[in-house]
Amino acid sequence: KQEVTQIPAALSVPEGENLVLNCSFTDSAIYNLQWFRQDPGKGLTSLLLIQSSQREQTSGRLNASLDKSSGRSTLYIAASQPGDSATYLCAVRRGSNYQLIWGAGTKLIIKP
Amino acid sequence: NAGVTQTPKFQVLKTGQSMTLQCAQDMNHNSMYWYRQDPGMGLRLIYYSASEGTTDKGEVPNGYNVSRLNKREFSLRLESAAPSQTSVYFCASSLDNYGYTFGSGTRLTVV
Repeated sequence: KQEVTQIPAALSVPEGENLVLNCSFTDSAIYNLQWFRQDPGKGLTSLLLIQSSQREQTSGRLNASLDKSSGRSTLYIAASQPGDSATYLCAVRRGSNYQLIWGAGTKLIIKP
Repeated sequence: NAGVTQTPKFQVLKTGQSMTLQCAQDMNHNSMYWYRQDPGMGLRLIYYSASEGTTDKGEVPNGYNVSRLNKREFSLRLESAAPSQTSVYFCASSLDNYGYTFGSGTRLTVV
């Protein structure tokens, strides 16, 4: 059974720092992996999607990497800003007809 | 603005009461989903609908029913609410299996 873990559950860093969020999964046979952002009282917003054949995806200050063999993905945020404060969730899909399996998220606080 | 609309945003129920959570999307998406989110846990899929007229159980379907009324609307019903159903409920839709759009959530408390 696929399990997705995100450690740490919470992270607080000063503004301007580069940081890495971690996502690990137990079954390397994944179809794709997605990173989402969740703001308090709001729904989730998709940030990046990495297909199983890809190693990384970039969008602005965000870079997500995927290492299937080790069961890990990282979300790199460059030059963090207070507006990046949110909970970040990762989710993996086993196959095109399978549903997402979610991590519990990392709550990120960027201190001004 | 285009997106997924959920109602209500907040609800308090007594044990045994029933209610329906409403969800509508205006993006012409085929698939719709109901998730629940509990503290310290990832989102768990309750039910989903891959297309109009079809519904399937997800990871935690017990105590819930759904209706895909048409392509736009996907409702979630609690027939007899229990305290264990206290949670935040999210509706989502997707055109394919990639681009998910989420509603803003319904915070449900069962006392």
